[in-house]
Amino acid sequence: GIQVEQSPPDLILQEGANSTLRCNFSDSVNNLQWFHQNPWGQLINLFYIPSGTKQNGRLSATTVATERYSLLYISSSQTTDSGVYFCAGRGGNMLTFGGGTRLMVKP
Amino acid sequence: DSGVTQTPKHLITATGQRVTLRCSPRSGDLSVYWYQQSLDQGLQFLIQYYNGEERAKGNILERFSAQQFPDLHSELNLSSLELGDSALYFCASSPRGGEGGYNEQFFGPGTRLTVL
Repeated sequence: GIQVEQSPPDLILQEGANSTLRCNFSDSVNNLQWFHQNPWGQLINLFYIPSGTKQNGRLSATTVATERYSLLYISSSQTTDSGVYFCAGRGGNMLTFGGGTRLMVKP
Repeated sequence: DSGVTQTPKHLITATGQRVTLRCSPRSGDLSVYWYQQSLDQGLQFLIQYYNGEERAKGNILERFSAQQFPDLHSELNLSSLELGDSALYFCASSPRGGEGGYNEQFFGPGTRLTVL
């Protein structure tokens, strides 16, 4: 199956700072999704982005499928952005998740 | 709210016991997926059902089984439970079976299983 690597594994930001999270895939994926797991454990869909760029408020994502990577941008971070960010790619029918980036935003 | 529901939210049981986790997909979704999230293994795909039929299998133990019923809800059965089965179990649903096209997966709130 495909391997998914996320970087950095941990990130501490001051409120208001910007950040970029990266996701690399070992092989082509059919779909790509970004999730935020909040402190209560819920997995919240951020983006479904097999290719191209999408924006949703302070968050945006870009996937370059031909180079097998995706980026998640968080601008003007807030304390509520804290949690773990996962990317996941579909090879076959299953989603393979990366190890996540644990983000802490300090006030 | 993703539209995917899971019950129960929490489950505490003893080693050797059997439990059943239940999932209802979003309205209109035909696929249901089960995932396990543990501290040492991360988020792992267990199994997928599409319109009542098993479609894909991941790292699911033989002690675990699942099914999808005609109303499309799904149940995950875990038997002969071990301490290492303690984890957060997620159900997800998507519109299609995975043959191509838009097939975003939406996750339920999870069932936290603790085996003592």
